Amino acid sequence: NAGVTQTPKFQVLKTGQSMTLQCAQDMNHNSMYWYRQDPGMGLRLIYYSASEGTTDKGEVPNGYNVSRLNKREFSLRLESAAPSQTSVYFCASLPRTGVNSPLHFGNGTRLTVT
Amino acid sequence: QQQVKQSPQSLIVQKGGISIINCAYENTAFDYFPWYQQFPGKGPALLIAIRPDVSEKKEGRFTISFNKSAKQFSLHIMDSQPGDSATYFCAASTRGSTLGRLYFGRGTQLTVWP
Repeated sequence: NAGVTQTPKFQVLKTGQSMTLQCAQDMNHNSMYWYRQDPGMGLRLIYYSASEGTTDKGEVPNGYNVSRLNKREFSLRLESAAPSQTSVYFCASLPRTGVNSPLHFGNGTRLTVT
Repeated sequence: QQQVKQSPQSLIVQKGGISIINCAYENTAFDYFPWYQQFPGKGPALLIAIRPDVSEKKEGRFTISFNKSAKQFSLHIMDSQPGDSATYFCAASTRGSTLGRLYFGRGTQLTVWP
């Protein structure tokens, strides 16, 4: 049981380049999330998808877009990368809302924008 | 604006000692308070969580103390072990929203030395 899988693990981009971070979960979870983690800042929610077919903005959505491709997959796209987007990106999933279920996190994508 | 304030930023404890991490919040709508543990190179994982209808929750060596009137909660790690060395995040969310939409503190890096 792989849980939440994120690809790639590491990526270096130049300013202005675009890329898509991939996330897939095999736990049949309804909700999926993208967080970014910066030193001394904790984790901040970028976008989330409460269920297949829906997406909503989190705390820091500017510069990002998302796609809930199906129940398993939730991708995060940077259209024009900026150095401020250098961060570790975590995807997470949750079985359903309204219950005491923990978020299941992947192991992150470490992105550097030069 | 940081919705959940966490202190200290770093903590060094001797093996067998007690580690205490504190968090405070302002939003009285928060009603779910989890703690996540993160090891280097890994995603955060749920350690323990509490709802505001109880003042304390204990799971093994880990205890959450909750003070609703002061809007504060803390994590106590009894008999701290070198294997507890990790980064700890407190978080909060509201009942009306998806539980995956968490507001995280900035994290505490705990080092337990033998």
